Amino acid sequence: SQKIEQNSEALNIQEGKTATLTCNYTNYSPAYLQWYRQDPGRGPVFLLLIRENEKEKRKERLKVTFDTTLKQSLFHITASQPADSATYLCALQYQAGTALIFGKGTTLSVSS
Amino acid sequence: EPEVTQTPSHQVTQMGQEVILRCVPISNHLYFYWYRQILGQKVEFLVSFYNNEISEKSEIFDDQFSVERPDGSNFTLKIRSTKLEDSAMYFCASSETLGTSGDFGPGTRLTVL
Repeated sequence: SQKIEQNSEALNIQEGKTATLTCNYTNYSPAYLQWYRQDPGRGPVFLLLIRENEKEKRKERLKVTFDTTLKQSLFHITASQPADSATYLCALQYQAGTALIFGKGTTLSVSS
Repeated sequence: EPEVTQTPSHQVTQMGQEVILRCVPISNHLYFYWYRQILGQKVEFLVSFYNNEISEKSEIFDDQFSVERPDGSNFTLKIRSTKLEDSAMYFCASSETLGTSGDFGPGTRLTVL
């Protein structure tokens, strides 16, 4: 079965630095890879979606890369702020409209 | 901005009781999902629903679970006879078209005693 690993459970960085989160998967590549933010006790909030044939996507301070050879996605937050502190979830989707398969998430803490 | 809503926010029930969790997806969305998250664990897929029928379900979604879209706006998850291990956050999600992100609701925390 598919396994998804997010680099570490916790990542601590200083304000202003770039946070880089990793999502690795086994088996075959998904059609879509998505990143979500989850705050404690809340539902996941969609951030970015990248398709299998795309290498990179950007949205404001966020950037996602997708390397199907390495079976890896990197999620970057530039100029990080304390408000970026949350758990970030990687999710794979093999076909449009099918289940999202989530990783356990990485909890990011940005200190001022 | 439209959002997915869920009620109740917290449900406490006794083991063996039936519960119904309610969701109102975003109005122009066509695809509906239920996920759950046991405390401290990852978000897990339960079921997807499109065109008034289940399109996909996970191993978790056994005969104790059912979903329904009783009218044009609500989407419900029923657990017939709750078990202790059903205690979790249950999230409803909807999406507009295929290949787009899911909009998640705030969740219902189900506690089975």
